[in-house]
Amino acid sequence: NAGVTQTPKFRVLKTGQSMTLLCAQDMNHEYMYWYRQDPGMGLRLIHYSVGEGTTAKGEVPDGYNVSRLKKQNFLLGLESAAPSQTSVYFCASQIDAGWYEQYFGPGTRLTVT
Amino acid sequence: GQQVMQIPQYQHVQEGEDFTTYCNSSTTLSNIQWYKQRPGGHPVFLIQLVKSGEVKKQKRLTFQFGEAKKNSSLHITATQTTDVGTYFCAGPAGGGNKLTFGTGTQLKVEL
Repeated sequence: NAGVTQTPKFRVLKTGQSMTLLCAQDMNHEYMYWYRQDPGMGLRLIHYSVGEGTTAKGEVPDGYNVSRLKKQNFLLGLESAAPSQTSVYFCASQIDAGWYEQYFGPGTRLTVT
Repeated sequence: GQQVMQIPQYQHVQEGEDFTTYCNSSTTLSNIQWYKQRPGGHPVFLIQLVKSGEVKKQKRLTFQFGEAKKNSSLHITATQTTDVGTYFCAGPAGGGNKLTFGTGTQLKVEL
């Protein structure tokens, strides 16, 4: 039982390049989330999904797109990376609606030069 | 929108000293969660508080939810080097589908 995994662990992009971050969970959780973490700003929600085929915007969605084609996977895309997107990205999952804990992946450290 | 603030932002203590972090919400919370993130790691769930005035303990950690359900605190007694990390509180937002995380308190413990 791997929990929540993220691919890749590290990535360096040049401004304007695109990439996709993959999140996978093997806990059969309905809800999945993408956060970014910047120094002094805590965790900010980018996009989330309440089930296969659904996505919704979070607090800071601009410049990102997501897809949830399969229940276990949640993809985060950057179409044209900008230096402001340099951050650590965390994926998380939650079993279902309600006040349940979130399980986080190990994170992806992205640098955009 | 909902804001969740934590103080202090940083705290350095000597091993054996106590530590407290405070979490304040701009709105009333139905519940509050606490997470710990070790340096270089990912957030890990610690506990959830639901009732007004609730107090829960986990060994040396004591969690409290305010009477008005707008604030919470985490107190660590006799800190150890294993307590090093950033502690986040988080409150529900958007009808239960998501969380708003506090800004976090980074704890450093010196021998």
